[in-house]
Amino acid sequence: GQNIDQPTEMTATEGAIVQINCTYQTSGFNGLFWYQQHAGEAPTFLSYNVLDGLEEKGRFSSFLSRSKGYSYLLLKELQMKDSASYLCAVRDSSGGFKTIFGAGTRLFVKA
Amino acid sequence: DADVTQTPRNRITKTGKRIMLECSQTKGHDRMYWYRQDPGLGLRLIYYSFDVKDINKGEISDGYSVSRQAQAKFSLSLESAIPNQTALYFCATSDLEDPTNEQFFGPGTRLTVL
Repeated sequence: GQNIDQPTEMTATEGAIVQINCTYQTSGFNGLFWYQQHAGEAPTFLSYNVLDGLEEKGRFSSFLSRSKGYSYLLLKELQMKDSASYLCAVRDSSGGFKTIFGAGTRLFVKA
Repeated sequence: DADVTQTPRNRITKTGKRIMLECSQTKGHDRMYWYRQDPGLGLRLIYYSFDVKDINKGEISDGYSVSRQAQAKFSLSLESAIPNQTALYFCATSDLEDPTNEQFFGPGTRLTVL
């Protein structure tokens, strides 16, 4: 089966750096995603990792370690508009390449 | 114009009523999905379709049915709505040719079953 764990809430200060962790268990790992979701809105794609290592995209970076079943999303130079939920999701090749989402981490950015 | 649209955006209904939620996309994607989102539970997959003749159950398909009328349209039905189906419902699409399988979400339908 699949299981994805991430912290429920985090708080950080504007201008700072925050790291949101995600651990997962899956029988057929085929990629890990991070999505951003503002309250009441649709999720939007942030990043995709399928190989170990760091993927950098502007202020956002995502890291993957497949052997540890671990990923993190790093947000630099935090802005107030970064206050949102961040969803970790894993694509599983067993049973049809479904994408399974974690419950999300609500990030509050304070001035 | 939005690439993935959902109708209605909000719906209040009563227990036992039949409800249909509709999703349309102009992205030309083959793959379409229906999710529900509940506080603290994240997005859960209800049904998905990889092309017009392909329908698959997700994690929580009981009480729901779907119809893929065309490549661009994927409808979700609740045959007899019950209060625990109150949730935010999202449709999503992805491109078969995209190796990342990034999903593009519609704006959501907020459904309340009284």
